[in-house]
Amino acid sequence: TQLLEQSPQFLSIQEGENLTVYCNSSSVFSSLQWYRQEPGEGPVLLVTVVTGGEVKKLKRLTFQFGDARKDSSLHITAAQTGDTGLYLCAGAIRDDKIIFGKGTRLHILP
Amino acid sequence: EAGVTQFPSHSVIEKGQTVTLRCDPISGHDNLYWYRRVMGKEIKFLLHFVKESKQDESGMPNNRFLAERTGGTYSTLKVQPAELEDSGVYFCASRLGTGRGYTFGSGTRLTVV
Repeated sequence: TQLLEQSPQFLSIQEGENLTVYCNSSSVFSSLQWYRQEPGEGPVLLVTVVTGGEVKKLKRLTFQFGDARKDSSLHITAAQTGDTGLYLCAGAIRDDKIIFGKGTRLHILP
Repeated sequence: EAGVTQFPSHSVIEKGQTVTLRCDPISGHDNLYWYRRVMGKEIKFLLHFVKESKQDESGMPNNRFLAERTGGTYSTLKVQPAELEDSGVYFCASRLGTGRGYTFGSGTRLTVV
């Protein structure tokens, strides 16, 4: 069974602080996606990383794919209250199927 | 562009009853997926359609679940008879082709009592 371990499960920090969320697996993925999900909504794609070692930036969010394509991280700089939400990583084991981590519930305190 | 639409948003049924969930993908998206999140667990793959054909149904829990996509447009997922463990949020997603991002619907929250 392929698993995607996401940590931490919960994170509560003050506005302005930095944070990193990790996504780890023993499996190699063809690509890895990060989603954000709001209550009552479906996951919304933030970014897809494909190449080992790839780094993508989305404003204050930095996404990195591990060299071996088994792990990824999401780093948020100077967190804002609007960043509060559930962040999910999902690895593509083939182009037609992705497996999800359990998610990191992030709460940014004002 | 309209997103992925799922209906109903919520459904509460009794054990043993039948429920049908519907998903309307983004127009023109050949690839349609069903996923499910059971409380406390991660979102898990159920099956994948390419147009009207089932490409991969390895995630379907058992034969009480039947998915169809007649004409390659909208899809339905029927649970018959429903059991308590079927409770969860059922998501539908679509995408134009492989290598493209997924667009998820808002999900159907199914509660079996």
